[in-house]
Amino acid sequence: KAGVTQTPRYLIKTRGQQVTLSCSPISGHRSVSWYQQTPGQGLQFLFEYFSETQRNKGNFPGRFSGRQFSNSRSEMNVSTLELGDSALYLCASSPRQGDGYTFGSGTRLTVV
Amino acid sequence: AQKITQTQPGMFVQEKEAVTLDCTYDTSDPSYGLFWYKQPSSGEMIFLIYQGSYDQQNATEGRYSLNFQKARKSANLVISASQLGDSAMYFCAMREGLGAGSYQLTFGKGTKLSVIP
Repeated sequence: KAGVTQTPRYLIKTRGQQVTLSCSPISGHRSVSWYQQTPGQGLQFLFEYFSETQRNKGNFPGRFSGRQFSNSRSEMNVSTLELGDSALYLCASSPRQGDGYTFGSGTRLTVV
Repeated sequence: AQKITQTQPGMFVQEKEAVTLDCTYDTSDPSYGLFWYKQPSSGEMIFLIYQGSYDQQNATEGRYSLNFQKARKSANLVISASQLGDSAMYFCAMREGLGAGSYQLTFGKGTKLSVIP
């Protein structure tokens, strides 16, 4: 079966711009969570979505937002990009909340 | 305080030998889960093995086994018969319940494993 698909794989943006990242979960998985990975902070939890509702959010500013659609696909948006937002953004899908996390290959965002 | 601690930033192992990667955790959730993931340079997080807090036996998946010592809050990953393809970052992660059916996965800082031919 198809895995978790994240698009795009690579992205270069300028400070102040906004960006939207996409995550298509494994078919049948209803939970999607997002993580930011940087060399300094490691892997940090961003948000979790289940049945189109944000169930939990990590300690990130309001510039980071997301949503989940009825087909479980999820998007995350970062507005007013800062240099420190440069990171690998990973999405994980689960059949149920808290169970069996399968990760995508990530989107590598570079802010210049 | 860190919830997941991986004390070995980097490790070397000879090909075909076994290696243990350390992980200690801290939680007040009685129903937690522990995961190990492998991250090659490509970036993808590859699931290796899972141990639930109520599981009586240590988890095993092929060449991977988890040495679970609940009282010590330790969940070390053992890789037997190391292969060159095992060279990667390895992350220990813990799933905790946050109430109302919500969960969060917390990761350690990782251990970079290098397999020497």
